Amino acid sequence: EVQLLESGGGLVQPGGSLRLSCAASGFSFSTYAMSWVRQAPGKGLEWVSGISGSGDTTFHIDSVKGRFSISRDNSKNTLYLQLNSLRAEDTAIYYCAKDMRGFDVFDYWGQGSQVTVSS
Amino acid sequence: DIQLTQSPSFLSASVRDTVTITCRASQGISSYLAWYQQKPGKAPKLLIYAASTLQSGVPLRFSGSGSGTEFTLTISSLQPEDFATYYCQQLNRYPLTFGPGTKVDIK
Repeated sequence: EVQLLESGGGLVQPGGSLRLSCAASGFSFSTYAMSWVRQAPGKGLEWVSGISGSGDTTFHIDSVKGRFSISRDNSKNTLYLQLNSLRAEDTAIYYCAKDMRGFDVFDYWGQGSQVTVSS
Repeated sequence: DIQLTQSPSFLSASVRDTVTITCRASQGISSYLAWYQQKPGKAPKLLIYAASTLQSGVPLRFSGSGSGTEFTLTISSLQPEDFATYYCQQLNRYPLTFGPGTKVDIK
C-alpha cells in the first residue's frame, strides 16, 4: 500500500524557515517523480515544486524560486521541501504527491502539513 | 503559464442528477488534462487523466472528454459521496497548473 506521510510543518515568523519531509512507502520511490502541491486557506490547489526520480531535475514555480528548494534522499525514501524567507502568502497546507509514471498527474497524496507564516 | 478556468464555480444538484463541469485552457493542451475530487479536510483524489482515462477504482459514473482547450467532466447519477470540489489540472507544460475548482453541493 502506497503511503506518504508529511512532517515538519508549523508556525513560523515572516522571513523564517522550515523543512518539510515526506516519508514514502509501498512503492519503488526512486523510480517516480514527486511533487509538492499547496492549498492556501479556503483556496484552490497550487503546484509548487517537482523533482525527477533520480533527483537530477527540479522545477519550482516563479513565486518560490530562490526561496524554496525541493530535494530527495532515495536511500531514505524521503522527499523534502526547504522553505526559506517565508511570507504570509506561503501559509497553506502542503501536500506531497506521487507522480503517475508517464504522466505529470498525482495518483497518491499525503495527508498534508500545515505551514502558517505569521508574526 | 497556462491558465485554466472552470465553470460553473458552484453547482447545486440532487442525488441521481447528471452534472457537467467545464474546464477551459488558455492555450491548446492536447489531451493533457486531469480531474481531481477533493472533500473537505482531505487530500485530492485523482479521477481522470489524459482527458478521458478513468483512474483505477473510480466509479464508471465519472467520465471525461475534450481536447485542445475545452474539456468536460460528467458525473452521471450523482451519489451522496460525490458532493465535493472538483479541480482540473493541465500537464502539457510546466508549471503544472490547476483550475480554480467547482464545488458541487446538495440542492
